[in-house]
Amino acid sequence: AQSVTQLDSQVPVFEEAPVELRCNYSSSVSVYLFWYVQYPNQGLQLLLKYLSGSTLVKGINGFEAEFNKSQTSFHLRKPSVHISDTAEYFCAVSLNQAGTALIFGKGTTLSVSS
Amino acid sequence: EPEVTQTPSHQVTQMGQEVILRCVPISNHLYFYWYRQILGQKVEFLVSFYNNEISEKSEIFDDQFSVERPDGSNFTLKIRSTKLEDSAMYFCASSEFGSSYNSPLHFGNGTRLTVT
Repeated sequence: AQSVTQLDSQVPVFEEAPVELRCNYSSSVSVYLFWYVQYPNQGLQLLLKYLSGSTLVKGINGFEAEFNKSQTSFHLRKPSVHISDTAEYFCAVSLNQAGTALIFGKGTTLSVSS
Repeated sequence: EPEVTQTPSHQVTQMGQEVILRCVPISNHLYFYWYRQILGQKVEFLVSFYNNEISEKSEIFDDQFSVERPDGSNFTLKIRSTKLEDSAMYFCASSEFGSSYNSPLHFGNGTRLTVT
């Protein structure tokens, strides 16, 4: 079975500081990896995804994530956050087959203050 | 940009009542999904639907739940006899294809279901 662990439930940071949101996954088969963001009172929006190829993937809003197979991690980073980045961030995995459900982590609340 | 729309945004119902949550997926999408998020917990997969059939469902999706595509645009989730523990945010999603490779899920804003 697959599982996703987001190591931090809440991450408070100051504006313009760098941030890393940690995600580890467990799977006996190949998976695709995703980060979704949920702004207050909105649905989930895809931030970025790793499918294959370069282990560093860039997403929207200046976020990037690095896939590390040996550490089974897919940490999300941003070098300088804005107040508007305050949101819930979800790491997710998907199995390598058609029509398969996403398995989400519990989410990390990123709170950016001035 | 096309969106997945869900109605209502918030629904309150009494325990034991039936409730129907409605979703309009993106028009050219073929795969439809329901997820739920109990307050403070992770987003959980309920069911996926393709070609008028359930293609996959989780353990959560028991006989109390059903899904339907009653016409060419709507996709509904019915809970037959709601329980307190059904209180959650329910997200509808759609994708053009089933494979994750070229076809990310597009989520709606969710319906918050409160069972009293």
